[in-house]
Amino acid sequence: AQTVTQSQPEMSVQEAETVTLSCTYDTSESNYYLFWYKQPPSRQMILVIRQEAYKQQNATENRFSVNFQKAAKSFSLKISDSQLGDTAMYFCAFMTLITQGGSEKLVFGKGTKLTVNP
Amino acid sequence: DGGITQSPKYLFRKEGQNVTLSCEQNLNHDAMYWYRQDPGQGLRLIYYSQIVNDFQKGDIAEGYSVSREKKESFPLTVTSAQKNPTAFYLCASSQWVDRSDGYTFGSGTRLTVV
Repeated sequence: AQTVTQSQPEMSVQEAETVTLSCTYDTSESNYYLFWYKQPPSRQMILVIRQEAYKQQNATENRFSVNFQKAAKSFSLKISDSQLGDTAMYFCAFMTLITQGGSEKLVFGKGTKLTVNP
Repeated sequence: DGGITQSPKYLFRKEGQNVTLSCEQNLNHDAMYWYRQDPGQGLRLIYYSQIVNDFQKGDIAEGYSVSREKKESFPLTVTSAQKNPTAFYLCASSQWVDRSDGYTFGSGTRLTVV
């Protein structure tokens, strides 16, 4: 079964600085998708960024970028120029698109609570 | 605007009662999902449905039931058999054939046993 591990339960960063959130996953599949979701205090889950495993280029969305290391099964999220509105829980998630024992669904890590301080 | 609506936002249940959480989507998505969120546990899958009149158990289905009579609706019933139902419940939807965009989530229901 696929597993997703976020080793940092909590992190904090000063406003305008850069922070990196870690995520590792375990799978025997070669074709899959990885996601980072943000859950602010409102508890609405918001998709931040996604990465296709077959693409070597790291995904970028404005201030958010990933460092995808397929061989190491690592998928970290970098937030540049942190803003107060970035304060939230961040969840890493994995999904294979091959229907095999239920693996085609999103599997989430336990989350990292990020606080941006003024 | 298209989206997912969960209701109610807060729900209180007495011991031994069944309660039903509502989830409606107007995104024309094929698949719908129910997740449970507990502090420090991330999101755990309860049930999912790929198509109308069909649904599958997730990782923690015991004590829960669902139905999928319409494409737009996927209600979750928390039965009295669920030992620890106090949690935050999230409903989500996606296309089934192409799930590469991930899921769209509702705003959640907070269930408390009193």
